[in-house]
Amino acid sequence: DGGITQSPKYLFRKEGQNVTLSCEQNLNHDAMYWYRQDPGQGLRLIYYSQIVNDFQKGDIAEGYSVSREKKESFPLTVTSAQKNPTAFYLCASSKPNKAVNTEAFFGQGTRLTVV
Amino acid sequence: AQSVTQPDIHITVSEGASLELRCNYSYGATPYLFWYVQSPGQGLQLLLKYFSGDTLVQGIKGFEAEFKRSQSSFNLRKPSVHWSDAAEYFCAVGAGNAGKSTFGDGTTLTVKP
Repeated sequence: DGGITQSPKYLFRKEGQNVTLSCEQNLNHDAMYWYRQDPGQGLRLIYYSQIVNDFQKGDIAEGYSVSREKKESFPLTVTSAQKNPTAFYLCASSKPNKAVNTEAFFGQGTRLTVV
Repeated sequence: AQSVTQPDIHITVSEGASLELRCNYSYGATPYLFWYVQSPGQGLQLLLKYFSGDTLVQGIKGFEAEFKRSQSSFNLRKPSVHWSDAAEYFCAVGAGNAGKSTFGDGTTLTVKP
């Protein structure tokens, strides 16, 4: 079945450590996105990529980094510079921007907790 | 800048009752509008979307939504709620690049037996 796989489902990080969240899709989508979700809030865009080897900052990119070396993969690194990283992280993908009238497909999320 | 307001943080309805979740948006051009549902600890699933044409759109699980340009609204409705509909619902507005949509803060639906 086609879809988006995020791993791990739960992740614990010590203060000062970098951690990387995995996102893989087999939908053949060009565009991929990372969102952060906090309790009682909507989704906030961290980074997005519309094509391999290219990505742009979203609304809350500080303290995060990404790479897009393959079409299927868009890993997110939460760096030690991120002051409050405890949150639920969602990865999504969609058809490319020029293919309008489409929706985003979401993974099941990774819950990151700083201990 | 585009924005989405979901005025109701939490709604409780009885099973079998009708449901309406409100969504108001601000957007400078013709909006692309979405409703997603999220179960606890899960990702988001698309319920329905509006891009153009008929302003009443049908979605999955018996949901529908009506686009009212004059009121900048895109309210979600269901005639008879089932216990399995309990979840969080998000309205989103975008410019066609669906992943860059702006999301509302969500409405949590509780269904009473």
